[in-house]
Amino acid sequence: EAQVTQNPRYLITVTGKKLTVTCSQNMNHEYMSWYRQDPGLGLRQIYYSMNVEVTDKGDVPEGYKVSRKEKRNFPLILESPSPNQTSLYFCASSFRAAGVSYEQYFGPGTRLTVT
Amino acid sequence: AQKVTQAQTEISVVEKEDVTLDCVYETRDTTYYLFWYKQPPSGELVFLIRRNSFDEQNEISGRYSWNFQKSTSSFNFTITASQVVDSAVYFCALSEAPRNQFYFGTGTSLTVIP
Repeated sequence: EAQVTQNPRYLITVTGKKLTVTCSQNMNHEYMSWYRQDPGLGLRQIYYSMNVEVTDKGDVPEGYKVSRKEKRNFPLILESPSPNQTSLYFCASSFRAAGVSYEQYFGPGTRLTVT
Repeated sequence: AQKVTQAQTEISVVEKEDVTLDCVYETRDTTYYLFWYKQPPSGELVFLIRRNSFDEQNEISGRYSWNFQKSTSSFNFTITASQVVDSAVYFCALSEAPRNQFYFGTGTSLTVIP
């Protein structure tokens, strides 16, 4: 089954404790991305990756890191989480051809609470 | 400035009514892509439609239809004969080639009352 998986689905942590949210896709997609969803703000792109070893900042990259060492994985790293990073996080992937954007497939979401 | 504006925050309709969700976008690129996604109460994001900037033809899929008008920078979504299962948050999104960054609107929460 074609899917994007995220782990963990729920996480409660404390300020300053490094954490990683994993994302994996089995569709051989070139493009992967992370979003956060907050009430009244919709989805905002944190980082995206066009392919292995190629990553770019989205609209709200501060406080986050990513890496793309393998095509299928795109982990989101919070080196020192703060309460304002409490949010619902989505990973997404899509096929990509030259200059063409295709629909993204989203993971189930990770609800993160930072106390 | 907001690249994608969904001015309707919440809409309530009675079942079987038609409803239109508005989406206005802003871009200077000539090549771009527009999308609609549905987020039901269960929380997952479901892709509904993708349109490129060179294709202004309206599309109909069952009870759903989309009206793309470049002259007004709008990509509106109409649900005909709404059903309770249509209750969800709907997001409009824009991607500007070749940057491939995505911009989502703030969403419209639709409630269909039985």
